[in-house]
Amino acid sequence: ELKVEQNPLFLSMQEGKNYTIYCNYSTTSDRLYWYRQDPGKSLESLFVLLSNGAVKQEGRLMASLDTKARLSTLHITAAVHDLSATYFCAVDGKTSGSRLTFGEGTQLTVNP
Amino acid sequence: NAGVTQTPKFQVLKTGQSMTLQCAQDMNHNSMYWYRQDPGMGLRLIYYSASEGTTDKGEVPNGYNVSRLNKREFSLRLESAAPSQTSVYFCASSEPGQGQYFGPGTRLTVL
Repeated sequence: ELKVEQNPLFLSMQEGKNYTIYCNYSTTSDRLYWYRQDPGKSLESLFVLLSNGAVKQEGRLMASLDTKARLSTLHITAAVHDLSATYFCAVDGKTSGSRLTFGEGTQLTVNP
Repeated sequence: NAGVTQTPKFQVLKTGQSMTLQCAQDMNHNSMYWYRQDPGMGLRLIYYSASEGTTDKGEVPNGYNVSRLNKREFSLRLESAAPSQTSVYFCASSEPGQGQYFGPGTRLTVL
């Protein structure tokens, strides 16, 4: 059974600081996705990582994938309040077709 | 291009009542999914449909049934609602390798 673990689950940081959210998964996969969810809203796709070593960047967020370590990171650079949200990683296990297994989510609060 | 739409947005049921949640997508995706989201538990897959005419159980299928009506529509039915089914329900659709696109969600309360 594929398990996906994120840490930390809760993150409170100051504006202007850097931080990294980690996503570990338990079985072989080379497809990993990051989503953002604002309170009371749906999930919005942030990044699609489809191969070992993939790196994607959008604004102050950068995601990477190391399939050998079964690890993805979401790095936040110079955080701003607008980045406050819950971030989910999701893994497409090779035996599950297009089924995704989600992590529990990291609730990020950026304080002024 | 509306993406993924869901109806209703909110619903309150009494224990034992039945209802159907509707989902439609206009992106011509083959695969569609139903998830539930509970506080602190992320998203859990209820059922999915890899293509028109097929459906399969996910992680938490008990108490639910689904119908893939056509390529666009995928409905979720609660035959006899229970308080444990109080949750937010999301429908999603995808093509392989593209990630999933989510609908706005249905907030269901079972009293």
